[in-house]
Formats: sequence, structure tokens, C-alpha cells
Amino acid sequence: DILMTQSPAILSVSPGERATLSCRASQSVSSNLAWYHHKPGQAPRLLIYGASTRATGIPARFSGSGSGTEFTLTISSLQSEDFAVYYCLQYNIWLMYTFGQGTKLEIK
Amino acid sequence: EVQLVESGGGLVQPGGSLRLSCAASEFTFSRYAMSWVRQAPGRGLEWVSAISDTGGSAYYADSVKGRFTISRDNSKNTLYLQMNSLRAEDTALYYCARWIQLWSWWYFDYWGQGTLVTVSS
Repeated sequence: DILMTQSPAILSVSPGERATLSCRASQSVSSNLAWYHHKPGQAPRLLIYGASTRATGIPARFSGSGSGTEFTLTISSLQSEDFAVYYCLQYNIWLMYTFGQGTKLEIK
Repeated sequence: EVQLVESGGGLVQPGGSLRLSCAASEFTFSRYAMSWVRQAPGRGLEWVSAISDTGGSAYYADSVKGRFTISRDNSKNTLYLQMNSLRAEDTALYYCARWIQLWSWWYFDYWGQGTLVTVSS
């Protein structure tokens, strides 16, 4: 199985500042990488697919980059609703989906 | 906006059964494949099962194969997960998710809020 490792586990950032989250794959997943935003008790929300394409309705402050094994999610200016857990998902191999363990983005 | 609402979770003894439901609205349910994903307490997300738009094809993770059955009723806009021979390690929050294709690859776009399944004596 492809192992997805997210770092850091916890990221403390002040509102209005930039946050950079990382996701590393144990082998190449090409650009078949998605990012999700999740608050407890709510539905996970798709932010990015194809490593860098914003999903419908996602603000421009969210951007994704990377390919192969190294990926980054950047949130340019943090809003209150952005403080949540973020997960990456690789979908490169049919039915062999693996998620990262998540990065908790908290208010500094 | 797309709505997915899971139900049917609860407390069940090891070896028992439970059926989860996912009611879909605000999109043409019969045109989309669907999936179940779970998250055990303190653990990561794990894909469980998926089904084609017509229900003609079903897929399972090795961890649930032979015990879980996914199905759908397109006339009721509802997805199901029949879970038999439940084990403690099946304890998790179960999400239904819309499963969509981009070129040759499939991923999950919309999710529900989840329903909690607890397997314990």
C-alpha cells in the first residue's frame, strides 16, 4: 500500500497569516492527490483534486501544488473557518485509496 | 448543494449486524457512483466499499470483504451498507461519499456527516 505522511501533525498559525501543509507519498502517485477540510461533526469538504485544481466553490486563498511524492496545500490568509483538520488522499491506484493521518490547523 | 445524510449507526455486539443508510438529495443520484469511507477513533480514514451508478458493480476493501454488502435503491435515492459479523475493529464513524471519475481516476467529492457504529459487548 502507498503510505501517505502529512506534516506537521499540528500547525499553529494566526488568523490572516499563511499556512503551508505537506503531504508525502511513499511512492509516486503522479498528480492523483486530493485535499479535504474537516471539522468534527461536519462533512469533510473537498478542496483540491488533481494536486492543484480547486473544487467547485473553494476560495482562491486555497492552492495546491506538487506531483510525484511531494505535495503542498497553502492557505494564503487564514480565516476563522479554515481552522480544522486537513487530510490528503491519494487515488492513483484503482481501489487502493490511502489517506494521510491529517494535519490539525489551530489558532495561534 | 449536494446533501448526503447517513443513518442507522448504533451499538451492536461482536458478531452482530447493522444496516447503514445514506439519503442523497440535490443531485441526480442514479447518475453517480457512491462509496463508504470510515474513520476509527484516533485513526485515519479508510475506504470501505463502492458501488457503480446502476448498482451492477460493487467493490470492497479486503478488511470487510465477505462481511459487508453495499447496495443502492435509485428509486429512493438511497445508498446502503449491510454489515454482518461485526468486529470490534469495525467501530468507526462511517461516511458515505459521492465517488466521481476524472479521466481514468476516481475520487470522492461530496461527503455526509457520518454515522457512528460501535461494536462492543
